[in-house]
Amino acid sequence: GDSVTQMEGPVTLSEEAFLTINCTYTATGYPSLFWYVQYPGEGLQLLLKATKADDKGSNKGFEATYRKETTSFHLEKGSVQVSDSAVYFCALSEGLLGDYKLSFGAGTTVTVRA
Amino acid sequence: EPEVTQTPSHQVTQMGQEVILRCVPISNHLYFYWYRQILGQKVEFLVSFYNNEISEKSEIFDDQFSVERPDGSNFTLKIRSTKLEDSAMYFCASSEEVQYFGPGTRLTVL
Repeated sequence: GDSVTQMEGPVTLSEEAFLTINCTYTATGYPSLFWYVQYPGEGLQLLLKATKADDKGSNKGFEATYRKETTSFHLEKGSVQVSDSAVYFCALSEGLLGDYKLSFGAGTTVTVRA
Repeated sequence: EPEVTQTPSHQVTQMGQEVILRCVPISNHLYFYWYRQILGQKVEFLVSFYNNEISEKSEIFDDQFSVERPDGSNFTLKIRSTKLEDSAMYFCASSEEVQYFGPGTRLTVL
């Protein structure tokens, strides 16, 4: 079945450092790909998404490109802030519209120190 | 901005007891979901619900689990006889296109 493999954490960085979190997937067909973020004490929030090959999702300075040839969707941010400390989840779905389930990676805990 | 809400935020129960976890999805959404996350493990899909019936369920969602949309706003997950291994964070989500998640209910079974 569909699955997501995500870089294990925890990751600890200094402010303004470059962040990358690796995510690879296994799927039949052409899934949609997502990054969700969970801040302390809160629910999962959609950070960005991409629905087809070579799409780049971006939000709040984060970017990820849907790479079909390497089945990857790595998350990057050029200069992190303390407020970026959170757990990041890579996820996929078989579709985007209507009724679909999300398959999640294990999550990567990121801590940014001032 | 509309959001998904869940109550309670934390539920403690004895093994064998029934629990009901409640969710209020975003009002114009048509698709509803429950997921769970056991401590230290992945977020796992439990069930999806559309047009007043289950559209898909995982192997985790056995006869001990049920879902209901009792009125126009609430969406509930019932566990009939809780087990220790049901201890987890339970997330509700709703969607038109993108899934929006609630803050979760932490269920502790003693």
